Formats: sequence, C-alpha cells, structure tokens
Amino acid sequence: DAGVIQSPRHEVTEMGQEVTLRCKPISGHNSLFWYRQTMMRGLELLIYFNNNVPIDDSGMPEDRFSAKMPNASFSTLKIQPSEPRDSAVYFCASRTGQLTTGELFFGEGSRLTVL
Amino acid sequence: EDQVTQSPEALRLQEGESSSLNCSYTVSGLRGLFWYRQDPGKGPEFLFTLYSAGEEKEKERLKATLTKKESFLHITAPKPEDSATYLCAVGGAQKLVFGQGTRLTINP
Repeated sequence: DAGVIQSPRHEVTEMGQEVTLRCKPISGHNSLFWYRQTMMRGLELLIYFNNNVPIDDSGMPEDRFSAKMPNASFSTLKIQPSEPRDSAVYFCASRTGQLTTGELFFGEGSRLTVL
Repeated sequence: EDQVTQSPEALRLQEGESSSLNCSYTVSGLRGLFWYRQDPGKGPEFLFTLYSAGEEKEKERLKATLTKKESFLHITAPKPEDSATYLCAVGGAQKLVFGQGTRLTINP
C-alpha cells in the first residue's frame, strides 16, 4: 500500500513567489497534519484536519500560510508570498481516526528553499 | 503548554556499545509518549507508544521505558543501521509536540 505522498520533493523559489505543496494521505485515514521541520525549531505542527475540516491552525505562522483539504485524498499548503525564513522541510502526515494512538504516518517531505 | 527536551543532542557509539537516550517532558496531563525514528531525507517513522509510568516496549535492539517525568530509549548492542535521529513526542488524540531529537551515529 502506498504511503503518504508529497510533492514536490524539492522546491527552490525566489522571495515573493507563491509556493504550493501537495499531499495525498493514506487511503482510509481521516486525519491529516502539516508539520514544518527546521534545525532551529525542530518539528512544528502547522495545522491539522479531521474529516477534511481544519481543526486547529494555531501553528500557522502568519496569514501568508494557508491550507486546504478539498477531499479525503488531497491537501495543499500554500505560502504567498514566500520569504527566506520559510525555508524548511514541510511534512504531511496522516492517521486513522482512533484517538488512542499517536502513530502518524509521515510522507518524505518537501524541502523548500526560498532565495 | 506541553514541552519535550531530549538529550543528548548527538551521540556517537561504537557498534555493540549500548547506551540510552533521554526524553524529559512537561505536560498538563500525559496522554501518551511516542518515539519516532527519522533517517536523513525521510519522514519520521513511528516506533513506540507508552501511556503510563512503568510501561515498557521493545523492538529488536530498542527498548523504551517511561516514568512520570521522562522516558528512556535504550539501545542494546547497536548496529550501524541503527544510526538515525530519534524523536520523542508527547500529546493526545490530535496534537503531538516533538522534541528536537537525538542524532545517533553507530560506527562499525
């Protein structure tokens, strides 16, 4: 069975440009998470969805960041306009709806570099 | 606010040299302590869940233990393929708060 699929794996862009990261969760998983990883701050939760509905976006750095989940098999994280400090690895993760486990299934990440 | 501190930041061992990684946490109410492994260029991979003090979980050369204030990941007779960053996280049904990780290197 395919795992969580993220695209692109690498993105290099210039400051001010729009960036869109994509995620396909594991089929049957109804919770989806977006994390950001940097050397300085480690893994930070940006936003998560349950049954396609955003539940908590308190980790989204600012209004330049937005995330959508139009259906159970697709989510996007958009940064507009991008800034150099947004450079990081962005991970998408999914999980079943069971409340008793912290087992998240992570994708391989999208490495973003903003010049 | 839940907080997780891992130590050491990095650890270098010889193959076969056993050691332990530490994860200290501060939470309003522990709903679970989770260990993940992350290889370079990959996403974290789930290893263990611990729920209550005294609980232990094992997988191959790894054993995770939990007290009221901290968790240890013991690695026995490690092999080079155990080299990775080990992440600890606390949280509940929805949100996991991760530590900064311990970067473990096993030299042959």
